[in-house]
Amino acid sequence: DAGVTQSPTHLIKTRGQHVTLRCSPISGHKSVSWYQQVLGQGPQFIFQYYEKEERGRGNFPDRFSARQFPNYSSELNVNALLLGDSALYLCASSLGGVGETQYFGPGTRLLVL
Amino acid sequence: GNSVTQMEGPVTLSEEAFLTINCTYTATGYPSLFWYVQYPGEGLQLLLKATKADDKGSNKGFEATYRKETTSFHLEKGSVQVSDSAVYFCALSGSSGNTPLVFGKGTRLSVIA
Repeated sequence: DAGVTQSPTHLIKTRGQHVTLRCSPISGHKSVSWYQQVLGQGPQFIFQYYEKEERGRGNFPDRFSARQFPNYSSELNVNALLLGDSALYLCASSLGGVGETQYFGPGTRLLVL
Repeated sequence: GNSVTQMEGPVTLSEEAFLTINCTYTATGYPSLFWYVQYPGEGLQLLLKATKADDKGSNKGFEATYRKETTSFHLEKGSVQVSDSAVYFCALSGSSGNTPLVFGKGTRLSVIA
């Protein structure tokens, strides 16, 4: 079975630009979460979606937004990019229940110059 | 709020040595506990999990026991291999409502032949 897939794998942007990252969950999984991992740190929670509704949001500015589509895939959008947005962006999918295991994709590495 | 503290690295061991990576947590209720592993340039892979007190998660020779009384979930392996070199993350997922993963900062393990 296919795991979580993310695109693109790498991305280079300049300050002030906008970026869209995409994620396809494991078949049958209805929940998608996004995490930001800065070099040398653990992942930090950005958003969780379940059945196309936002279930939770981490401590990130409004420049970050996301949505989930009817097929459960998801997009993460970041506006007005800053140098500090350079990170590995990880998508995880799960069945959506409390305590369910989240399975991660390979990530999108974003570099902001 | 929920938090995870794990021992700082890097940890360098010789092949076949015993490994312990300490992890303690702070959470309300009964969270689920996880160990994830990240190999260079890759996303996170689930290593093992435990969902209730005294549960032991195990996989690929790694073990961790959910200790409610000490709020700990230490990772152990009896004999490490060079291929175990990676960054290990301890994480928890809350026991109700929104269930994003909260990660520790990660422990880098290097195993030398």
